Amino acid sequence: GESVGLHLPTLSVQEGDNSIINCAYSNSASDYFIWYKQESGKGPQFIIDIRSNMDKRQGQRVTVLLNKTVKHLSLQIAATQPGDSAVYFCAENFSGGTSYGKLTFGQGTILTVHP
Amino acid sequence: DSGVTQTPKHLITATGQRVTLRCSPRSGDLSVYWYQQSLDQGLQFLIQYYNGEERAKGNILERFSAQQFPDLHSELNLSSLELGDSALYFCASSVAGEGETQYFGPGTRLLVL
Repeated sequence: GESVGLHLPTLSVQEGDNSIINCAYSNSASDYFIWYKQESGKGPQFIIDIRSNMDKRQGQRVTVLLNKTVKHLSLQIAATQPGDSAVYFCAENFSGGTSYGKLTFGQGTILTVHP
Repeated sequence: DSGVTQTPKHLITATGQRVTLRCSPRSGDLSVYWYQQSLDQGLQFLIQYYNGEERAKGNILERFSAQQFPDLHSELNLSSLELGDSALYFCASSVAGEGETQYFGPGTRLLVL
């Protein structure tokens, strides 16, 4: 059959707006979560992380929220800039058992920022 | 620049061939990870090494193998290549081995014709 690529969710915003990117993770035992930004032709770039004993963490212009009850993670970007345009991935890690450092990635969200 | 280096940047080869991808981790990092990124599967974990020893394994094909050397650089060997192996292969590294930030290299783009 024909191979079809992943259809990534997209988010388009105007420069200066706040952006919210959402992610549903799969393993209720995951205890570490990361957001990565990937620009075209480059490797994933670390943005911010959070551990399961927290529900919010802030960085520079970014905030990550974790809701373990519904297995949901979000990334908020304040005052979004054209340079923020990229694909954003959430990733989860369950450090117990034999998973060690294995990261399980979400499918990604394409963020486009219009000047 | 993450500090993780990968070579080569691009690789074009034919079906049935074997290739080796190389990764040097950030200075001080003991763990190395390999991931595959394809259009239809997204980013998938392949394998992790810690200080020379295999630590965790994902859905890595039997045709693929990896190792980490005493100087901590790692190589990913892909053999009997198929068209479907065409993808981006990323290496990442971290200080120890779990529950911590992984820093990714720029990747190797493999095209199998």
